[in-house]
Amino acid sequence: AQSVTQLGSHVSVSEGALVLLRCNYSSSVPPYLFWYVQYPNQGLQLLLKYTSAATLVKGINGFEAEFKKSETSFHLTKPSAHMSDAAEYFCAVSEWTGNQFYFGTGTSLTVIP
Amino acid sequence: GAVVSQHPSRVICKSGTSVKIECRSLDFQATTMFWYRQFPKQSLMLMATSNEGSKATYEQGVEKDKFLINHASLTLSTLTVTSAHPEDSSFYICSARGPDRLNTEAFFGQGTRLTVV
Repeated sequence: AQSVTQLGSHVSVSEGALVLLRCNYSSSVPPYLFWYVQYPNQGLQLLLKYTSAATLVKGINGFEAEFKKSETSFHLTKPSAHMSDAAEYFCAVSEWTGNQFYFGTGTSLTVIP
Repeated sequence: GAVVSQHPSRVICKSGTSVKIECRSLDFQATTMFWYRQFPKQSLMLMATSNEGSKATYEQGVEKDKFLINHASLTLSTLTVTSAHPEDSSFYICSARGPDRLNTEAFFGQGTRLTVV
């Protein structure tokens, strides 16, 4: 069975500050892990994904995430927040050979000017 | 990356009518498609999984007679909300997965906002 926990439903950061969005997963098999971003009234856009290659994954828009097996975590970071980063972020886990994605409850990021 | 097109993006319908939402994979063969539902300020909840040519597999608590899913070809899946009611108002999103090298990622459609009045 797989699940994802996102700590913090709302995160606020100042423009230019570090962004840290937390994601912990539970999986009985080696996982695929994903971060998606959703802007209001839009679909999901893939930010980055971990598929068992490098543990530090770089994505679009300056985001990156590190897979830490010992901590069962896949936290999303960005060194310097931009106003355009304000959105809803979802962490998701999937099996190696499975089909279904399991999503976290999402974290709403607010960027304060 | 691969493109999944979902149509319509918004639809308003009267209570008691049926609404069909289409999900198309434009440049790959989607052997598996997923339908999710998202309530306001909540996460995506999987409704059903469909494999081309097979009956859809519904998650527990999802009424299969109300949410009809058809995956008749490798590029098209449809979700029909039958006898829609205001509580069916939600954001519906499909995703599609192909075979082989595309199998590590599900590509999402733009979503459909359904409002039942």
